[in-house]
Amino acid sequence: EADIYQTPRYLVIGTGKKITLECSQTMGHDKMYWYQQDPGMELHLIHYSYGVNSTEKGDLSSESTVSRIRTEHFPLTLESARPSHTSQYLCASNPMGQGAGGYTFGSGTRLTVV
Amino acid sequence: GDSVTQMEGPVTLSEEAFLTINCTYTATGYPSLFWYVQYPGEGLQLLLKATKADDKGSNKGFEATYRKETTSFHLEKGSVQVSDSAVYFCALSPSYNQGGKLIFGQGTELSVKP
Repeated sequence: EADIYQTPRYLVIGTGKKITLECSQTMGHDKMYWYQQDPGMELHLIHYSYGVNSTEKGDLSSESTVSRIRTEHFPLTLESARPSHTSQYLCASNPMGQGAGGYTFGSGTRLTVV
Repeated sequence: GDSVTQMEGPVTLSEEAFLTINCTYTATGYPSLFWYVQYPGEGLQLLLKATKADDKGSNKGFEATYRKETTSFHLEKGSVQVSDSAVYFCALSPSYNQGGKLIFGQGTELSVKP
């Protein structure tokens, strides 16, 4: 059973709307990540966090923003959605001090902007 | 920069066939290497890993050997099943390990027919 939860699973929204994708984990992991998965399946890191009040941009530039006010919660926000934001967004977490093999992924949010 | 290249899919096999999915990498130092699997509609799950040269990772009948001389980490399984149909991602964690980030290949879709 997944210990990292993403909501919603699917979202269709109009251009210009503000949206927040939720990600929560119950494992107490310090490190959390957002990956964008394009239709060709490739995954790109867009944001990560080492802990509360820590956020960093990833390798792929993104118009989204993130916050980390609580350890268990790492929401991603798009202030004004555009069709180019259509993608699947995957959240992951990892305990501090453990290598990348400790990743746990959520089931993803598939976003469609029309 | 560090990168991972996988063979292009989709790969279509009959049940009980031998599977090889090629993965090569470019990295400085000694990265850790991983294979993740993504079943339809789900997030990624760690399949196996290797943290140093000549290590062999194995799980659920899948194997991969860390070959530093050829910078490769090919995934193999002797006899695939329909239930192995999924997308497989090769990934590396850089030796400099900025926050435990993973760098993924583009994914290879496997379809196993009965």
